[in-house]
Amino acid sequence: GQSLEQPSEVTAVEGAIVQINCTYQTSGFYGLSWYQQHDGGAPTFLSYNALDGLEETGRFSSFLSRSDSYGYLLLQELQMKDSASYFCAVRNFNKFYFGSGTKLNVKP
Amino acid sequence: DVKVTQSSRYLVKRTGEKVFLECVQDMDHENMFWYRQDPGLGLRLIYFSYDVKMKEKGDIPEGYSVSREKKERFSLILESASTNQTSMYLCATYSSPADNEQFFGPGTRLTVL
Repeated sequence: GQSLEQPSEVTAVEGAIVQINCTYQTSGFYGLSWYQQHDGGAPTFLSYNALDGLEETGRFSSFLSRSDSYGYLLLQELQMKDSASYFCAVRNFNKFYFGSGTKLNVKP
Repeated sequence: DVKVTQSSRYLVKRTGEKVFLECVQDMDHENMFWYRQDPGLGLRLIYFSYDVKMKEKGDIPEGYSVSREKKERFSLILESASTNQTSMYLCATYSSPADNEQFFGPGTRLTVL
């Protein structure tokens, strides 16, 4: 089976840096994805890590350690529009398994 | 841009009714998925399809069936709706194992009374 753990809620102030962790247990692993979902909206893709290390895309970075079954999403220079839920997802070939999501509250 | 559309944004049905949720994509993707999203539980995979007429059960298929007669269309069927199927239903597609991004539809919020 698959299980993913991430914090349920995180609060940070505008301009700060926040890290959202994800640990997983899975029977098969191709990579770890991150998705953002605003209230009432559809999830949108942020990043994907297949190999160990850090991937950077603008203000967002994602890290993976396969040996530790652990990854994180790093958001820098937080903006109010970053207030949303963030989901990690394990890819097992052509199936994706999602965590329960982390609600990020950005305060002025 | 990939477009994934779902037949209804909001739907209200009665217990015991047969419910059809439809998803259409315009990018010729092989793989299509149905998830349900509930607070605190994230997205849970109900069924997915990797080709026309091909389907595979996800983690929570009980009470649901699917149909994929054409590549662009993937339907989720609730044979006899129950109140515990009240949820947000999300359809998603992605191209192939070489691709990493899933594209989601806007979702259908289903309420079963």
